[in-house]
Amino acid sequence: DAGITQSPRHKVTETGTPVTLRCHQTENHRYMYWYRQDPGHGLRLIHYSYGVKDTDKGEVSDGYSVSRSKTEDFLLTLESATSSQTSVYFCAISKAGGSYNEQFFGPGTRLTVL
Amino acid sequence: QKEVEQNSGPLSVPEGAIASLNCTYSDRGSQSFFWYRQYSGKSPELIMFIYSNGDKEDGRFTAQLNKASQYVSLLIRDSQPSDSATYLCAVSSTGANSKLTFGKGITLSVRP
Repeated sequence: DAGITQSPRHKVTETGTPVTLRCHQTENHRYMYWYRQDPGHGLRLIHYSYGVKDTDKGEVSDGYSVSRSKTEDFLLTLESATSSQTSVYFCAISKAGGSYNEQFFGPGTRLTVL
Repeated sequence: QKEVEQNSGPLSVPEGAIASLNCTYSDRGSQSFFWYRQYSGKSPELIMFIYSNGDKEDGRFTAQLNKASQYVSLLIRDSQPSDSATYLCAVSSTGANSKLTFGKGITLSVRP
C-alpha cells in the first residue's frame, strides 16, 4: 500500500469531542492529502500539505484542521466532531506536485460520530 | 467550480466483454487524468494515468483522452469478475501545488 498507514482504522466518538486521525508514510514524499468519502459525493479534499509546516485548505475544510511537523506524519483534527463528519477518511501521498501528481492512498479510517 | 462527471451506473457486462467507462471534465486547462479502481470497503488504487491526447494501453486497460472534447475514458478488454469494482476518474489542475478533483465513480459488475 505504498508505505502508508492510517490510525486508527475505526473510531466511534460522540458529538462535540475532538478527534485526531494520523497518516504515516515511509516514502519520504513531499505531498500529503486528506480526503473524505461519502455516498453520493465521492472523494472530496479536506486539506493538503506540500511540505513540513506547509498546508492549505481543500474544498471541505470547515471543522477540520491539520498539522505536519515531520515529513512522514500528517494529522487531521476534528476540533468538535459533528454527525455530519461521519465518513471514511483517506490519506494520500504524492511524490511530485504540478500536474503529474499521481496520488497513492492509505487504507482509510472509518469514523462514526454519534 | 471544477467538475468531473462520470456517466451514471451501475454498469453490467458479461465476462469477456469490453467495458467502457466515460468521464467528462469542465476545466479546459486540466493537464493530467487518472483512473482509480476501488473495491468495496477498500481504498482507491491507481490503475491508469494519461497526460497526452490519444490512447494509452496497459495490459487489458486502455485510457483514451480527448482534450478538445474534454473527455477521458477507460476501456477494459476481456472483462473478468475480478474487475467488478467502482472506478473513479480524477483530473488534475495546473500549478505547482495542483490537486485532484474526483468524479463520483461508476460501479462495474462483470457477470460470469
